[in-house]
Amino acid sequence: RKEVEQDPGPFNVPEGATVAFNCTYSNSASQSFFWYRQDCRKEPKLLMSVYSSGNEDGRFTAQLNRASQYISLLIRDSKLSDSATYLCTTGGTSYGKLTFGQGTILTVHP
Amino acid sequence: ETGVTQTPRHLVMGMTNKKSLKCEQHLGHNAMYWYKQSAKKPLELMFVYNFKEQTENNSVPSRFSPECPNSSHLFLHLHTLQPEDSALYLCASSQDLRGTYGYTFGSGTRLTVV
Repeated sequence: RKEVEQDPGPFNVPEGATVAFNCTYSNSASQSFFWYRQDCRKEPKLLMSVYSSGNEDGRFTAQLNRASQYISLLIRDSKLSDSATYLCTTGGTSYGKLTFGQGTILTVHP
Repeated sequence: ETGVTQTPRHLVMGMTNKKSLKCEQHLGHNAMYWYKQSAKKPLELMFVYNFKEQTENNSVPSRFSPECPNSSHLFLHLHTLQPEDSALYLCASSQDLRGTYGYTFGSGTRLTVV
């Protein structure tokens, strides 16, 4: 089983749609959780951290369920500029280093 | 400059060449990483350095040789590479080895081996 598993997609949605990505992780000792965004042929950039209480940043909402070892990202009112690959990431264990999922591809079309 | 800077941005090299990739971070971070990302594939961790000491070598072939002279600089020396080594090479840094606050990535070096 992969340490971090994501549905690779691709997700093709129209502008204005709401889309949700899910991610599961296997290491119950994980303490840090993030969503990264990676544009085509560019480096990953931190989109948002994920907290147990859930957190929101504009159109983006991240949720963490520790009991189920599950992380989600909700994007409301999708924009063309949201088209990218979204990477689920866990870390903060005594083993060090972050673990990245394989990414979920999102394409928002007009 | 701020953040993580990688040079060169693009590199084309022959299989018999020797070249080096450079990474510099201006964030005061203590850990640095090399990742490889082949086309349409996930990130592959190559090396981890913490306070300039190597803490992880992820079974990387010896034709890739990292060097970390201090906590701010990281190099990846390349020699006798193969065409399948063509990829985007990303450097990253983090405040601590656990990545408690996430990683900051450089823009990457797009390497083509001919």
